Amino acid sequence: GNSVTQMEGPVTLSEEAFLTINCTYTATGYPSLFWYVQYPGEGLQLLLKATKADDKGSNKGFEATYRKETTSFHLEKGSVQVSDSAVYFCALNQDSSNTGKLIFGQGTTLQVKP
Amino acid sequence: DVKVTQSSRYLVKRTGEKVFLECVQDMDHENMFWYRQDPGLGLRLIYFSYDVKMKEKGDIPEGYSVSREKKERFSLILESASTNQTSMYLCASSSNEKLFFGSGTQLSVL
Repeated sequence: GNSVTQMEGPVTLSEEAFLTINCTYTATGYPSLFWYVQYPGEGLQLLLKATKADDKGSNKGFEATYRKETTSFHLEKGSVQVSDSAVYFCALNQDSSNTGKLIFGQGTTLQVKP
Repeated sequence: DVKVTQSSRYLVKRTGEKVFLECVQDMDHENMFWYRQDPGLGLRLIYFSYDVKMKEKGDIPEGYSVSREKKERFSLILESASTNQTSMYLCASSSNEKLFFGSGTQLSVL
């Protein structure tokens, strides 16, 4: 079945460092791919998405490119801030009906130190 | 501003109790979901609903049931709470693949 695998956390970086959080997936067909972020004490919120191969999603300085050949959707940011400290989840949709039924990875905790 | 509201932020219950977790959305979304979040496991889908009175099992429905009598409200029911149901429970609604989450209910079963 479909699945999502993220790199183990926690990831600890200094402010202004470059961030990469790896995400790979297994899926039949061509799922949409997502990154959600969960700030402390809050629910998840959509960070960015990509719906087809070679699409790049971007938001708030974060980017991720849908790579079908490597089945990956790695999250990157050129210069992280303390306010980026959160848990990041990679996800894909389970079906093609656009219902929002998603499969999530295990989450990667990012801690950014001043 | 769109909103998904979960009735309790923290809840402590005893083994064997019947537990109700309530969720309300104000966006007129047809689709609603209950996930549980556990460290190292990410989010796992318990149940979802595509319409009033319509429900389908997710990946881990055992020990849970749901109720959707009105479009805006989706309730998760633990018929007889057990310690392995101690978890963070997240409700969500969706529009065009985008999920909107509540802040979560941290349930502890003692």
